[in-house]
Amino acid sequence: KQEVTQIPAALSVPEGENLVLNCSFTDSAIYNLQWFRQDPGKGLTSLLLIQSSQREQTSGRLNASLDKSSGRSTLYIAASQPGDSATYLCAVLDNFNKFYFGSGTKLNVKP
Amino acid sequence: DGGITQSPKYLFRKEGQNVTLSCEQNLNHDAMYWYRQDPGQGLRLIYYSQIVNDFQKGDIAEGYSVSREKKESFPLTVTSAQKNPTAFYLCASSMAAGWFRGGVPGELFFGEGSRLTVL
Repeated sequence: KQEVTQIPAALSVPEGENLVLNCSFTDSAIYNLQWFRQDPGKGLTSLLLIQSSQREQTSGRLNASLDKSSGRSTLYIAASQPGDSATYLCAVLDNFNKFYFGSGTKLNVKP
Repeated sequence: DGGITQSPKYLFRKEGQNVTLSCEQNLNHDAMYWYRQDPGQGLRLIYYSQIVNDFQKGDIAEGYSVSREKKESFPLTVTSAQKNPTAFYLCASSMAAGWFRGGVPGELFFGEGSRLTVL
């Protein structure tokens, strides 16, 4: 069964730092990997989606990479801002249209 | 605007009551999902549907029921058989139904969630 792990569970950084969030998965047979942001009491907002044939995707200050063979993805956030404070989750989609989620990394960017 | 609408945002249930959470999408997505989120925990799949009039149990389906009579709608009923229903419930949808269509499953979109509290 696919298992998705996110490390660290929580992260606190000063404003302006570049940071990396990690996501690992146990089964490399995936269709895609998606990164989400969740603010307290809200739903999940899609940030980036990487198809299994792709290596990375970029949107503004965010860059996500995918290494299927090693079962890893990273989300790079450049020049972090207090508004980036949220919980970040990754999810992989398997061959049966089922999504598997990590438990998330709670990010706090201090002014 | 296209999106997923969940209602109500907050719901209170008394012991022994059934309650229904609404989920409507206008994204023309085939697949729809219900997840439960508890504090400090990841998302757990309750039910999912890849096509109208068909749905499958997820990992924690006991005490819940669903229907998929229309493509746009996927309501979730929390029955009195669910012993610990207090949680945050999230509805999601995605385009393409994997092996049903032979296409590439797409991006997952979420509603804003419904918070259920048992009194």
